[in-house]
Amino acid sequence: NAGVTQTPKFRVLKTGQSMTLLCAQDMNHEYMYWYRQDPGMGLRLIHYSVGEGTTAKGEVPDGYNVSRLKKQNFLLGLESAAPSQTSVYFCASNRLAGGADTQYFGPGTRLTVL
Amino acid sequence: DAKTTQPNSMESNEEEPVHLPCNHSTISGTDYIHWYRQLPSQGPEYVIHGLTSNVNNRMASLAIAEDRKSSTLILHRATLRDAAVYYCILRAFQGAQKLVFGQGTRLTINP
Repeated sequence: NAGVTQTPKFRVLKTGQSMTLLCAQDMNHEYMYWYRQDPGMGLRLIHYSVGEGTTAKGEVPDGYNVSRLKKQNFLLGLESAAPSQTSVYFCASNRLAGGADTQYFGPGTRLTVL
Repeated sequence: DAKTTQPNSMESNEEEPVHLPCNHSTISGTDYIHWYRQLPSQGPEYVIHGLTSNVNNRMASLAIAEDRKSSTLILHRATLRDAAVYYCILRAFQGAQKLVFGQGTRLTINP
């Protein structure tokens, strides 16, 4: 079991460039999430998905788009990167609804926008 | 989402117990109390959770106040590897289960 994996681990972009971050999980989880973490801060939710083909906005969705075409993958896109999007991005997943379930996190993608 | 309050930082010595407090005075009757921790340069990892009763697992214990307005994460014998930021998070009984992170408590362990 690889758990939650993220690709790439590091990336440097110039302002205005686009990119896609890939999250994959092999635990057959229904729920998947994208968070960002700025230095010295807790994580903030960008977008999430409650199942294949569904997406919803989180706390800080502006400037990002997501897609969940396959249950095991959740993609985060930046169409026109800005320096304010420099951050560490974490993907997470969990199996069930209900407050008792454990959320599993990936190792993160460190993105720098120049 | 109900809010939690934690001290910004705490310090302890290796092999001693650590008690990490969390206040959640606006908790609803069906909110679960979760603890996650984030080791340096890693993603958060689950530690423990509970609803009303105290809980134990191989990593830690969770003591929940009778009125559920506060809880304490207990590391029984801290090691250097326990140095991390610890987050206390409330999760609703229903819904999409997104986690709302505060700033957490940065735990430093002295050798």
